[in-house]
Amino acid sequence: GAVVSQHPSWVICKSGTSVKIECRSLDFQATTMFWYRQFPKQSLMLMATSNEGSKATYEQGVEKDKFLINHASLTLSTLTVTSAHPEDSSFYICSAKGWGNYNEQFFGPGTRLTVL
Amino acid sequence: GIQVEQSPPDLILQEGANSTLRCNFSDSVNNLQWFHQNPWGQLINLFYIPSGTKQNGRLSATTVATERYSSLYISSSQTTDSGVYFCAVIKAAGNKLTFGGGTRVLVKP
Repeated sequence: GAVVSQHPSWVICKSGTSVKIECRSLDFQATTMFWYRQFPKQSLMLMATSNEGSKATYEQGVEKDKFLINHASLTLSTLTVTSAHPEDSSFYICSAKGWGNYNEQFFGPGTRLTVL
Repeated sequence: GIQVEQSPPDLILQEGANSTLRCNFSDSVNNLQWFHQNPWGQLINLFYIPSGTKQNGRLSATTVATERYSSLYISSSQTTDSGVYFCAVIKAAGNKLTFGGGTRVLVKP
């Protein structure tokens, strides 16, 4: 149990385009989903926290108009990188937390974004 | 915010060796997790251990919350144990995981 999927696993796009990344909890309902960013050989940095049906809470320094988060259901959250630029190239990872036995966070496999 | 420090930053082991990874944190926590990030980037949950000791096969973890540290013990290491090990905590009354810098482990055959 406690499986989280992400799609796509990798994406290459041109500068100025927008990219949407999906995060799904496959076998449990996620009360909260989190989005992280990881640069090469660095740790994970939390970008934002999203709860189903409410606005996401962004960490300091993260542009909410650039990284749009939608948490439409208890099993799906999306991150849209708008007007992507090369400096947005990174590894984006989501996690999901449920309740009861799923109080710990479970992570998706990540999405590698390359902006040309 | 809470600080999480992991040591050592890098570790090279000969296959079959044992080792201990350490995680120190600066404040009270109500959640602590250990993860293994494989070469493809997937974070694999190893332990959810806000306190006490747990064992899973060749891995075991101990968290002493009052002393603000946790340890991950790898016994009889295998090449498949290579990767980065992260400790992450949620401070008391919080809901956000803060990650340590990780320990990069390489197990040589």
